Amino acid sequence: IAGITQAPTSQILAAGRRMTLRCTQDMRHNAMYWYRQDLGLGLRLIHYSNTAGTTGKGEVPDGYSVSRANTDDFPLTLASAVPSQTSVYFCASSQREGSYNEQFFGPGTRLTVL
Amino acid sequence: GQNIDQPTEMTATEGAIVQINCTYQTSGFNGLFWYQQHAGEAPTFLSYNVLDGLEEKGRFSSFLSRSKGYSYLLLKELQMKDSASYLCAVTDSNYQLIWGAGTKLIIKP
Repeated sequence: IAGITQAPTSQILAAGRRMTLRCTQDMRHNAMYWYRQDLGLGLRLIHYSNTAGTTGKGEVPDGYSVSRANTDDFPLTLASAVPSQTSVYFCASSQREGSYNEQFFGPGTRLTVL
Repeated sequence: GQNIDQPTEMTATEGAIVQINCTYQTSGFNGLFWYQQHAGEAPTFLSYNVLDGLEEKGRFSSFLSRSKGYSYLLLKELQMKDSASYLCAVTDSNYQLIWGAGTKLIIKP
C-alpha cells in the first residue's frame, strides 16, 4: 500500500440499503477526512477525525457515520442510503502540524443510489 | 457564511499563459491551497500560500493578497496535460479546508 486506498472503486446501491466505504492510509497521518464531490459544487466535508479515537461533523454529516478505531482506517457508513447520496466520495488524510493542513486524497468511490 | 469564488470554466491555447482567480470570504484565514484535479481522478497538491506575495514553482505560480481576500494561480507554457480542474481551498479558523467549486481549464492546440 502506498498512500491512501479506498474501496470499492464504484458501487450501485438500492435505496434503503446500508453501505460502508472503506479508507486506509499508510502514511501515519493523524488526521483523516471524508468528502463528497458533486458536479458544480466544491468538495464538501462530511466527517473528519483529528486523531485516532476522535471524530467530528463536517458541513454535510446527515445520513453518514464514521469511526476511527486506529490511525490507518476511517470507514464511512451510510445507514440507509437515499438517492441524494449519489456522489463521488473522497477520503483524505493530513499530518496536521499547526495551521498547515495539506491533504492527500484517495482515488475516490463513485456511488450511485437508485 | 463562508464563500470561495472561482470561474467555472476557462479556455486557453497550448503554449500560452492563463491566470485563474480565486476570491474568498471565510471565518479566519490560515493559508490557501491550490489543487489540480484531472477528470475522474483525485485532487493533487499544487501550491500553498500563507503570506502575501508570489510563490513560484516551475511553470506554476500562485499569488496571495490577504487584505483583498484574493489569490490567483498562473500557469505558463501551457501543455495539453494541463487540461484539468483547479481547486482553490482556504484553511479556516478551525483549520479545516473550505473548497471552491473548481475551475475547469480547457487547453486547445
